[in-house]
Amino acid sequence: QVHLVESGGGAVQPGRSLRLSCAASGFTFSGYGMHWVRQAPGKGLEWVAVISYDGSNKNYADSVKGRFTISRDNSKNTLDLQMSSLRGEDTAVYYCSRSANYYYYGMDVWGQGTTVTVSS
Amino acid sequence: DIQMTQSPSSLSASIGDRVTITCQASQDISNSLNWYQQRPGKAPRLVIYDASNLEPGLASRFSGSGSGTDFTFTISSLQPEDIATYYCQQYENLPLTFGGGTKVEIK
Repeated sequence: QVHLVESGGGAVQPGRSLRLSCAASGFTFSGYGMHWVRQAPGKGLEWVAVISYDGSNKNYADSVKGRFTISRDNSKNTLDLQMSSLRGEDTAVYYCSRSANYYYYGMDVWGQGTTVTVSS
Repeated sequence: DIQMTQSPSSLSASIGDRVTITCQASQDISNSLNWYQQRPGKAPRLVIYDASNLEPGLASRFSGSGSGTDFTFTISSLQPEDIATYYCQQYENLPLTFGGGTKVEIK
């Protein structure tokens, strides 16, 4: 069974950092691109970042570029999102999701999400 | 960036009704479009990929059509478990972009 499980969410003050992780199981993790997508309270879905199957290509939404870093460890089947200089508008549920191919494509599997709250 | 305009933003329909949601892209995206279902308090789930292909295991009452800039998502006979918000999403170009969502409720 294909599973994605996010962790690392929590409450953090503006300007601080937080690292999210996503543990993958049930599929060949190293063969797929991976995304982070977020959803602010009561709002729609916003794509955040994507990383290719081997980590060689990465792309970010303008809203997080220069502050967030996506990475992966194919030996551990994990995906990370390092978030720095956090702002109130980064408050959201963060989902990791699997791309349907080796880099960016639609998302065919989603985790349950982890909540990040940025507030003083 | 490619803008995805989804309508309506919400709708109310009776059980058994046919429900149609539209999504318009700001430029040609071929068939690079997915539809997702998000039930209240849950993660999104892929329903339709490549504009018209039903994700395996899902009910055949869900369907999608369109190409280029205009797309349609249809529930042929609304069921109680279909209460959710539905999103379209393009993956033709980065950044990936979603429509604003359509909240489907029971009348």
